Amino acid sequence: DAKTTQPTSMDCAEGRAANLPCNHSTISGNEYVYWYRQIHSQGPQYIIHGLKNNETNEMASLIITEDRKSSTLILPHATLRDTAVYYCIVRVGGFGNEKLTFGTGTRLTIIP
Amino acid sequence: GAVVSQHPSWVICKSGTSVKIECRSLDFQATTMFWYRQFPKQSLMLMATSNEGSKATYEQGVEKDKFLINHASLTLSTLTVTSAHPEDSSFYICSARDRAGWYTEAFFGQGTRLTVV
Repeated sequence: DAKTTQPTSMDCAEGRAANLPCNHSTISGNEYVYWYRQIHSQGPQYIIHGLKNNETNEMASLIITEDRKSSTLILPHATLRDTAVYYCIVRVGGFGNEKLTFGTGTRLTIIP
Repeated sequence: GAVVSQHPSWVICKSGTSVKIECRSLDFQATTMFWYRQFPKQSLMLMATSNEGSKATYEQGVEKDKFLINHASLTLSTLTVTSAHPEDSSFYICSARDRAGWYTEAFFGQGTRLTVV
């Protein structure tokens, strides 16, 4: 699976949009971009994923650049409960490739 | 989303004893489950892939005789840490994906914190 690069840490004011970048310049055409987050001492929580189109769900939006070499996770109105480590992972979709390789992630701190 | 449940959430055991951790998919069937380990301030590291009805596949450097994995049914995988030592103290997390393909993402359990004294 392709390697990802994320900033080590970020701060965001409560109520503002949190924009978390991820570089995946070696991504292959059949690899999806997945985002998970891990709140302290809990298992990772799925947020969103996409292939090449922008995606939105009730938690977040995912913006993938046209060349697919980078993406941004957007939490539209950050709350204190969004403080967590956010992992950007790229992997081949479909069955038989469920392995997820976690990098170091971005530690997002929401500031009151 | 789908639910994956781990039990226990935390456990303290004496050095030399064995500990079993259960991972269940509550509302879907999982042919494959994954076991991760996470040390403080570090990322998750995949330990092994648990396959229903067959032997687990271990990542390089993970001792298969120490970390016994059994995937007895489509909804249950167990990880047994045998002859535990203090260096095995860690946060153990399992994940599973829906066999039927209703969900394409993997879901994680809440984790088990193991402390060996």
